[in-house]
This record gives sequence, structure tokens and C-alpha cells, in this order.
Amino acid sequence: AQSVAQPEDQVNVAEGNPLTVKCTYSVSGNPYLFWYVQYPNRGLQFLLKYITGDNLVKGSYGFEAEFNKSQTSFHLKKPSALVSDSALYFCAVRDGNFGNEKLTFGTGTRLTIIP
Amino acid sequence: NAGVTQTPKFQVLKTGQSMTLQCAQDMNHEYMSWYRQDPGMGLRLIHYSVGAGITDQGEVPNGYNVSRSTTEDFPLRLLSAAPSQTSVYFCASSMSNGQSTDTQYFGPGTRLTVL
Repeated sequence: AQSVAQPEDQVNVAEGNPLTVKCTYSVSGNPYLFWYVQYPNRGLQFLLKYITGDNLVKGSYGFEAEFNKSQTSFHLKKPSALVSDSALYFCAVRDGNFGNEKLTFGTGTRLTIIP
Repeated sequence: NAGVTQTPKFQVLKTGQSMTLQCAQDMNHEYMSWYRQDPGMGLRLIHYSVGAGITDQGEVPNGYNVSRSTTEDFPLRLLSAAPSQTSVYFCASSMSNGQSTDTQYFGPGTRLTVL
């Protein structure tokens, strides 16, 4: 079975500082990893994904994520936080060895950027 | 190109009532799915479909039915609503090229309250 853990329910960062939102995963096969963002009263928006290749993935709005196979992690990062980055962030994983689209989500991390 | 649309945006039901949550996509995506989002639990998969005429159960299917008569539409039916079904429901779709690398695109959600 596949699973995702987001160990922090809440992360607070001062505007202009770097931010990190943590994610660890568990799959039996090759991991396909995704980050989504949810703004208040909105659906989820895709930020970035790792399928294969370079361990550092760049996505929308200046976000990037680093895939670390040995630590089974896929942390989301941004060099300089904006107040507009405040939102709920979800990490998700899919097992690439199976020919289906089931996506397992973490419980989410609420990111608050303090002006 | 509207993407994934959901209706209604809000709904209040009494225990025992039935209703259908509508979901449609205009991207010719094969894969569609329904999730529910509850505080502290992330998104949990209810049902999914890999193409017209094909549906399968997800993680939390009890109390919900689905059908997929066309590629575009994937309605979710609650036959006898219960307070435990109070949640925010999201529909998602992806191209499904069989390699599990596709991004899922989400609708804006339906907020359902069962009294």
C-alpha cells in the first residue's frame, strides 16, 4: 500500500524568508510524486511533479521540490516566501509500477506567511 | 475550455435524503475520480473511473454510487444521506495514458452539509 506523511500541520514563515514544507512517502514500486496547493474555498491546483530524472523539480509560482530516494522524501521549497503563498499544501504519491491512476494524499500542511 | 466543473457549489440535506453531485470535464480525459476532504484527513478517494462504462471503488466508497455513461460526465450519488457524509467533495480528471504520470485536475468542489 502507498502512503504519504506530512509531519507538520502548520508552518509559519516570515515574508522574504525561505520556506520548506515536508513530505515523506512509502510505495512498493517507483514513486510518482506531486504537490498541490489549495487556496481558501477553492479546488486543488497542481504545483509540480516528479516522475523521473533530475531530483530537483521546478514548478509554478517559484516553488521547487527535491526528490530524495534514500530518505523517501519530497520536500517543497521556495527561496523567498510571499504573503500570497499562504495556503494549504498537499503532497501526493502514486505507485508507478501499477497501471492505474490512484493518487494517495497526505493530510495537508497549512502554510502561513507572516508580513 | 472550462476544465472540471462541479454543481452545486453548496448543498444542505436532511438525513435520509438523496441527491446527485454533478461533475463534468471538457478535456476528453479518460480518468475521473471523486474525493472527499475532511479536516485533518486530507483527500480520500471515493470512486474512480478509467473510462466510459468502467467504475471502481476507492478508499471510502460506502454510501456512494457512481456511473460513467459518457467520457465527459461522472456523477456521484448519495442514496440516503447521513451526517457522516458532511464534507467537501472534489471531482478530478486526468488524461490517463496508462503510465500513471498524468496530472490530475480538480474541480472547485461541492460543500455538502447533512443535518
